Amino acid sequence: DAGVIQSPRHEVTEMGQEVTLRCKPISGHNSLFWYRQTMMRGLELLIYFNNNVPIDDSGMPEDRFSAKMPNASFSTLKIQPSEPRDSAVYFCASSWGRAGLAGEKTYNEQFFGPGTRLTVL
Amino acid sequence: GNSVTQMEGPVTLSEEAFLTINCTYTATGYPSLFWYVQYPGEGLQLLLKATKADDKGSNKGFEATYRKETTSFHLEKGSVQVSDSAVYFCAPPRPKIIFGKGTRLHILP
Repeated sequence: DAGVIQSPRHEVTEMGQEVTLRCKPISGHNSLFWYRQTMMRGLELLIYFNNNVPIDDSGMPEDRFSAKMPNASFSTLKIQPSEPRDSAVYFCASSWGRAGLAGEKTYNEQFFGPGTRLTVL
Repeated sequence: GNSVTQMEGPVTLSEEAFLTINCTYTATGYPSLFWYVQYPGEGLQLLLKATKADDKGSNKGFEATYRKETTSFHLEKGSVQVSDSAVYFCAPPRPKIIFGKGTRLHILP
């Protein structure tokens, strides 16, 4: 398997421009996560999907950020308009989890992509 | 819910020194626990895991034992190398993981 694929690897844009980050999760995984990493705040969860449905988007900083997962093999994170404080490394991760018959849930490790380094000037 | 508390870094050691990075957890039931590692310029990757109490996970010379009596999952390595310089994250097995800054490890030659 190729692992989690992210594109682009590097993005430099000017303040006010729209930025779209893309992610292809590992085939067969049913959960997808978007993270942002900065020196000041560390690694923060922005949003995660389960079976293509957004489950928790409480980490999305503000309305300028939006994420979609139109199918099991593709997700986007969009920033519109971008600001210099959005400069960070954005990671996508995927994993596989299941719910048992008694309602218990099993979560397995997350597999991370190489990240997109975003610079907003 | 399940959560972990991890020692803050940075940790600086000389090559061949013994390493311990502390991690304690609170959990309902006894879920599995993970250690992730992030090498410079890369995403996180799983280093090791333990799936139940008293289990020991090991990989690349690193070990961690899931100790129920002390609610700990400390990461240890007997002799670190320069190539072990990275950021280490302890994490519970839940979808919403608070990774934070992890513990940055510097190994001096």
